[in-house]
Parts: sequence; C-alpha cells; structure tokens
Amino acid sequence: KQEVTQIPAALSVPEGENLVLNCSFTDSAIYNLQWFRQDPGKGLTSLLLIQSSQREQTSGRLNASLDKSSGRSTLYIAASQPGDSATYLCAVRRGNYQLIWGAGTKLIIKP
Amino acid sequence: GAVVSQHPSRVICKSGTSVKIECRSLDFQATTMFWYRQFPKQSLMLMATSNEGSKATYEQGVEKDKFLINHASLTLSTLTVTSAHPEDSSFYICSASGTGFGYTFGSGTRLTVV
Repeated sequence: KQEVTQIPAALSVPEGENLVLNCSFTDSAIYNLQWFRQDPGKGLTSLLLIQSSQREQTSGRLNASLDKSSGRSTLYIAASQPGDSATYLCAVRRGNYQLIWGAGTKLIIKP
Repeated sequence: GAVVSQHPSRVICKSGTSVKIECRSLDFQATTMFWYRQFPKQSLMLMATSNEGSKATYEQGVEKDKFLINHASLTLSTLTVTSAHPEDSSFYICSASGTGFGYTFGSGTRLTVV
C-alpha cells in the first residue's frame, strides 16, 4: 500500500531564505509525482509535475526533484517571499489515475 | 493551460436540503474526475472517482446515496449532497484528468449546512 509522508508538518523561516520541503513515498512504482500549493480556504494550485522518468522540474524559484529508488521528492524554494506562505502538498499518482496525498507542510515566511 | 471551473465557490444551505456542485473542464476533455473533501487542518480525502459515462467508484466509508456523482459528459461532472446535515459541512474540491495531463483542480466549494 502506497503511503506518502511529508516532513516537516510546519515550517517557519525568515524572508529571503532558501528552503526544502520533503516528500517520501513507500512504493517506487509511481506514474508521476506532483506538488501543489493550497492557500487557506481555497482550492489547490498545481506547482510542478514530475513524470516517473524525470529527475527534476523547475518553474521560476521552484525546483522539484524525484528519486524513485529512494522514494523521495524534494521541493526547493529559492529566495522565499511572504507570498510563498501556504500549505504545500505532494501527491503520487498510481497507474489507475488515483492520487495518494501527503498531509502537507504548512509554510510561513516571516517578513 | 488546462482549467477546471467549479461552482459555486460558497454555499449555505438548510439541513435536509440538497446541494449540487458543478465542475467543468474548460479547454480539455476530462476523462476522469475526482471528488475530494477536506476538513479544517486536514489533508484531502478522496471521496469518489468517476469516468465519463460510467458509474462513480466510491471510497470506503463514503455513502454513494448521499453523495451523488454524475459524469455524463467529458466536460462536466456534478456532485450532489443529498439531505445535507451539519456534519456534511466541508470544503469540496474536484479534480480532472485528461489524456496526457496531470491533474487540474477546481477552486473548491465551501459548504456550510445550518
């Protein structure tokens, strides 16, 4: 059974710092992995999608890596800004289209 | 990019009434639609998966007679909460997947049952 874990559950850092969010999964047979952002009371925004054959994806200040053999993905945020404050979720897709979700990391960027 | 429009964004209804939530894929064909609910400070919980033209598959513990899902076309899926009760108050999110796509999420619906 696939399980997805995100560490830490919460993180607070000063503005301008680079930071890393972690996501681990127990079954390496994944189709892809996706990182999302959720603002309080709002829907999800897809940030980065990494196919199982890829090692990383980049979008602006965000970089996501994938290491299937170790069951890990990281989301790197460079030069953090207060607007980055949100809950970040990772989700692993199984072959049957379903997503298995982590519980999220709540990120607070202090001005 | 792919967009999913979800309506309404917020709804308040009386206990015992039914509420319909719509999700439309605006520029792609959503072969599969997922419905999630989220309680405060908790992660998303998958309620059901539906493929266009077929019956939805419900997760364990989700009452299919209470949460009616219709996915009659490749661009529209609806979730109807029947005979709503206060414990059904939650945040409901749909997600659509098409061929070659990742997942695109609706903006969510905040349901409050009074």
